[in-house]
Amino acid sequence: KAGVTQTPRYLIKTRGQQVTLSCSPISGHRSVSWYQQTPGQGLQFLFEYFSETQRNKGNFPGRFSGRQFSNSRSEMNVSTLELGDSALYLCASSEDGRNSPLHFGNGTRLTVT
Amino acid sequence: QQPVQSPQAVILREGEDAVINCSSSKALYSVHWYRQKHGEAPVFLMILLKGGEQKGHEKISASFNEKKQQSSLYLTASQLSYSGTYFCGTEIQNSGYALNFGKGTSLLVTP
Repeated sequence: KAGVTQTPRYLIKTRGQQVTLSCSPISGHRSVSWYQQTPGQGLQFLFEYFSETQRNKGNFPGRFSGRQFSNSRSEMNVSTLELGDSALYLCASSEDGRNSPLHFGNGTRLTVT
Repeated sequence: QQPVQSPQAVILREGEDAVINCSSSKALYSVHWYRQKHGEAPVFLMILLKGGEQKGHEKISASFNEKKQQSSLYLTASQLSYSGTYFCGTEIQNSGYALNFGKGTSLLVTP
């Protein structure tokens, strides 16, 4: 089985722009979670989707949004980028979320200048 | 809601043992453990559900104390390949699905 695929791997954006990140989960996985990873803060939960519905959201401003499509693929959008948004964004998929191991993609490295 | 991990970092010689702790101020439904090597994605190690279940994975095992909302990861006879950052992820009871991770424990095993 192919693993979790995230595109693009690297992004450089300017403050104020917006960005869309993409995640293709493992085939058959219906839950997709997004995390922001920065040095010293670990993995911070952004949101989780299951069957196109957002089931939970972390403590991030409304500039961070996401969606999930009928094929379980997910996108994450960040609008009005700030310098502090520079981070590694990780997507993880699981069979149904609860009690299921998360399988992480290699992430998208976003740099905001 | 972020769990607290300790220690922040540990250096071991090959063959030594280590314990990494994870605690939460909220009642937990489950605890996950993951290991991330530099430049790679986190990799799942094990899940522990409430009920005090202890699980094992090769020479790595973990326990979950439901009353104290604490989990510990035990690394026995460490190998060089154990080096990396270990994260615990906790799911709080009645909060809907959200796995919140601690800040991680950096483990370095030296020859």
